[in-house]
Amino acid sequence: EVQLVESGGGLVQPGRSLRLSCTASGFSFGDYAMNWFRQAPGKGLEWVGFIRSQAYGGTTEYAASVKGRFTVSRDDSKSFAYLQMNSLKTEDTAVYYCSRDRGEYDAFDIWGQGTVVTVSS
Amino acid sequence: DIQMTQSPSSLSASVGDRVTITCRASQSVTNYLNWYQQKPGKAPNLLIYAASTLQSGVPSRFSGSGSGTDFTLTISSLQPEDFATYYCQQSYSTPYIFGQGTKLEIK
Repeated sequence: EVQLVESGGGLVQPGRSLRLSCTASGFSFGDYAMNWFRQAPGKGLEWVGFIRSQAYGGTTEYAASVKGRFTVSRDDSKSFAYLQMNSLKTEDTAVYYCSRDRGEYDAFDIWGQGTVVTVSS
Repeated sequence: DIQMTQSPSSLSASVGDRVTITCRASQSVTNYLNWYQQKPGKAPNLLIYAASTLQSGVPSRFSGSGSGTDFTLTISSLQPEDFATYYCQQSYSTPYIFGQGTKLEIK
């Protein structure tokens, strides 16, 4: 079965760090770009950032709201993607999803179940 | 950044109705436009990509059309499981912006 599973969410104080993990199964992970999204309580979807496959250099791009604070990485040998979140703010509180880019047209066809991050003192 | 505007923000309809949701981009995205369905507490589900291509496994009552800046998602005959929130998303350039969502409710 093709699936993604996120982990690592929790309650964290403002200014602290947290690392989310996304484990993939059922497909050739290294062939795909991987994205992170988030959804604040009662709000819409926001793209956070992505990492390209190694075939395309493994480069990353980020939303302006997280650039310089968040880092996406990947370990193809373990089929993992990561989202390192530093200098967290209360406005980073959200459900975080990882998702696979199907490749053509950059549509996101496989999603994890989400992990909740709450930033609060 | 390319902004995406959906209308309406909410919609009440009955089982069996034909429903159309509109999405407008602030500049041309050619056909780099995708549609997702999201149910409460669940991850989004890809319905349509490239403006009009049905994702594998998605019922044929869903269809998409448009190009450039104006797009529509149509559900030809609403089923009970279709009551959800729908989002368009442009993938022409980063940042990948979503529309604000259209909540489809039972009348």
